[in-house]
Amino acid sequence: SQTIHQWPATLVQPVGSPLSLECTVEGTSNPNLYWYRQAAGRGLQLLFYSVGIGQISSEVPQNLSASRPQDRQFILSSKKLLLSDSGFYLCAWAPGQDYEQYFGPGTRLTVT
Amino acid sequence: ILNVEQSPQSLHVQEGDSTNFTCSFPSSNFYALHWYRWETAKSPEALFVMTLNGDEKKKGRISATLNTKEGYSYLYIKGSQPEDSATYLCALDSNYQLIWGAGTKLIIKP
Repeated sequence: SQTIHQWPATLVQPVGSPLSLECTVEGTSNPNLYWYRQAAGRGLQLLFYSVGIGQISSEVPQNLSASRPQDRQFILSSKKLLLSDSGFYLCAWAPGQDYEQYFGPGTRLTVT
Repeated sequence: ILNVEQSPQSLHVQEGDSTNFTCSFPSSNFYALHWYRWETAKSPEALFVMTLNGDEKKKGRISATLNTKEGYSYLYIKGSQPEDSATYLCALDSNYQLIWGAGTKLIIKP
């Protein structure tokens, strides 16, 4: 069976510090991978998606970036965090388009 | 810009009552419509993926219908239970990404 891991679970970082969130999927190959953010009181916002190694599509201009160095690894990064980056970050995978997505446990990021 | 609307934003329902809520979406460029359930302190969990106009899917006491011509989907919960309390999200599948509604927060009152 497939599992998705995300870490850390919670993170408190000062403004201007770097960020690295990691997501890994087990039990499948060549998944579509997604990074979402839920800001307080709002729905899910797609940040990045990837259909293969090294293939990243960005949906929202911001100071975040994503990378997919391996087939089942998806990393969300920032060089300098902003207060507005606070939120709940979710990684998800899907076998392909039109399939349901499976979500990781999420990371609660607080930028102070 | 594609926009997915969900209504109501929140809903209080007495335990045992049935309820339903709506997801509206643009009917053009439709691939699929997803429903997810998101409980507090957990990750979103997929309920249904619907692709055909007139589709009706059921999982236990929860069911959903789809009208792609007029651009809406209904989610029904029969005989609400406290464990049904969650935010129910719908998402329009469009070109490798899901466009999410803001969700309907359902609170079941015992």
